[in-house]
Amino acid sequence: SAVISQKPSRDICQRGTSLTIQCQVDSQVTMMFWYRQQPGQSLTLIATANQGSEATYESGFVIDKFPISRPNLTFSTLTVSNMSPEDSSIYLCSVEDAGQEEAFFGQGTRLTVV
Amino acid sequence: DAKTTQPTSMDCAEGRAANLPCNHSTISGNEYVYWYRQIHSQGPQYIIHGLKNNETNEMASLIITEDRKSSTLILPHATLRDTAVYYCIVRVSRGGYQKVTFGIGTKLQVIP
Repeated sequence: SAVISQKPSRDICQRGTSLTIQCQVDSQVTMMFWYRQQPGQSLTLIATANQGSEATYESGFVIDKFPISRPNLTFSTLTVSNMSPEDSSIYLCSVEDAGQEEAFFGQGTRLTVV
Repeated sequence: DAKTTQPTSMDCAEGRAANLPCNHSTISGNEYVYWYRQIHSQGPQYIIHGLKNNETNEMASLIITEDRKSSTLILPHATLRDTAVYYCIVRVSRGGYQKVTFGIGTKLQVIP
């Protein structure tokens, strides 16, 4: 199984600022996914990140608000831009390799915007 | 994407079997049933998955009906550490890779 490290684990940020969340995997993986989990809610997929190409965003999420980088097969970042209190959520990184039968998740980044 | 329906919450006495149902009446022939759980303040954890046969591993058993329209996750001897939200998911393919869509899940409370 893949071991995923997310940084930071939590942060409190001022509105209007941006936060970049890092996701590091201990092995090379084909696909990386970013999810958002708002308080008391289930997980919602933000985007799928492929190495060497632009991320694919789900309906309701745009690149200007959630830019994603995927410079290599073990690392990705998600930036939450121009934050507002509505962005307060847990952000989770997930990985999966071609042929794997399950997805693995990081522990999440708990973001509070004040 | 096929959708699933689960009870919002369930209670189970410690040491007893916890049986968590899931309906997935629109599942396609090549789609698998997956179960994940999310313990408070942690990321989701994979439990088990199956296509049409019953499956068992060290964590749980998965019983899938013959018509594949529903399934049950069984935790044979629930402990307090099994208190979590359990997600039943039907996996779809997208561009050759698997997209995981989460519903609201079942909040299982194991009672001492």
